[in-house]
Amino acid sequence: ELKVEQNPLFLSMQEGKNYTIYCNYSTTSDRLYWYRQDPGKSLESLFVLLSNGAVKQEGRLMASLDTKARLSTLHITAAVHDLSATYFCAGPWRGGADGLTFGKGTHLIIQP
Amino acid sequence: ETGVTQTPRHLVMGMTNKKSLKCEQHLGHNAMYWYKQSAKKPLELMFVYNFKEQTENNSVPSRFSPECPNSSHLFLHLHTLQPEDSALYLCASSQDPGTPSSYNEQFFGPGTRLTVL
Repeated sequence: ELKVEQNPLFLSMQEGKNYTIYCNYSTTSDRLYWYRQDPGKSLESLFVLLSNGAVKQEGRLMASLDTKARLSTLHITAAVHDLSATYFCAGPWRGGADGLTFGKGTHLIIQP
Repeated sequence: ETGVTQTPRHLVMGMTNKKSLKCEQHLGHNAMYWYKQSAKKPLELMFVYNFKEQTENNSVPSRFSPECPNSSHLFLHLHTLQPEDSALYLCASSQDPGTPSSYNEQFFGPGTRLTVL
């Protein structure tokens, strides 16, 4: 069963700054997912990373996957207040095509 | 209705009650999931239904029982719950996880906030 660790778990940053959230996972996996959750809301899919070296970008967010290092990163560029949320990474629960195992989430606060 | 819907959105129940949570997906997907999100633990997979084949996380107590009558509907039946079962219960769905095009990207409903007294 996959284990997923995120860090940091809490991040307070100023608008305009750059920062990276890290996601390490325990066993070989060919895919990694990033989700966003706003307070009191459900999870919104951000990125699906499917292969080693995969990089995807949407606006100020960029995600990458290094399957050899078992590491994914979510990079925030020139942060804005609207990006304040909790960000989760997740991987296949048993390595196959079924449920997901999630990290504890990174609670991100972006201050003006 | 679009996406994944869940009812009720909020539920308060006593430990001796029996209730059910309902999930419906309008995305034409073939797999559905139940997750539990509590303040004390990370999002936790409870059950998977893929083409009616059920998979469960062995750590889920028997007081939770799922039912999936068809590919669009999923229920979670609750009986004799404990206060520690209070949490947000999230339903999700994905396209056939076995096809390369699906990537098993899961789409979540809004959740049912459950309080057990």
